[in-house]
Amino acid sequence: NAGVTQTPKFQVLKTGQSMTLQCAQDMNHEYMSWYRQDPGMGLRLIHYSVGAGITDQGEVPNGYNVSRSTTEDFPLRLLSAAPSQTSVYFCASSYLDRGRDGYTFGSGTRLTVV
Amino acid sequence: AQSVSQHNHHVILSEAASLELGCNYSYGGTVNLFWYVQYPGQHLQLLLKYFSGDPLVKGIKGFEAEFIKSKFSFNLRKPSVQWSDTAEYFCAVNARSNTGKLIFGQGTTLQVKP
Repeated sequence: NAGVTQTPKFQVLKTGQSMTLQCAQDMNHEYMSWYRQDPGMGLRLIHYSVGAGITDQGEVPNGYNVSRSTTEDFPLRLLSAAPSQTSVYFCASSYLDRGRDGYTFGSGTRLTVV
Repeated sequence: AQSVSQHNHHVILSEAASLELGCNYSYGGTVNLFWYVQYPGQHLQLLLKYFSGDPLVKGIKGFEAEFIKSKFSFNLRKPSVQWSDTAEYFCAVNARSNTGKLIFGQGTTLQVKP
């Protein structure tokens, strides 16, 4: 049981490049989310999904796209990276049961945009 | 939309001192409440959670939190901190009606001096 797996762990991009951050969970969780963590700002919700085929915007969605074609995977796409997207990104998942179990987090992807 | 505010951004304590970290949320409906901890270089781990029942909840490692509905607060406490409690602490809330949207506070960095 691997939990929530994020790849890659580290990435450096040039401004304007595109890339996809991968997130996979093997717990059959309905909910999946993407957060970015910046110093002094806590974790801010980018996008989230309540099930396959259903996504919604969080607090800071601009510049990011998501899709959820399967229960297991929830990739985050940066279409044209900007230095402001330099951050640590966390993926998380949870059961549907009123969120009472809280989220399980991945180990994070540290992204630097130069 | 819900929001979370943590009043203390950086707390420095000596070992054996008591700890209380403030957390207030803003939301008119019923919520679930969480405290997460992030040790240096690691991902977030759930400390404790509240969704119903006794407003005083106990979590791992001797932490507890009290939900005061009238004050929209969920403060974290520990009677005697240890050096190993040095970490960043995050309060989070989701609405019962949309538990996929977990919103975090800005975080509090706790430094415990040996």
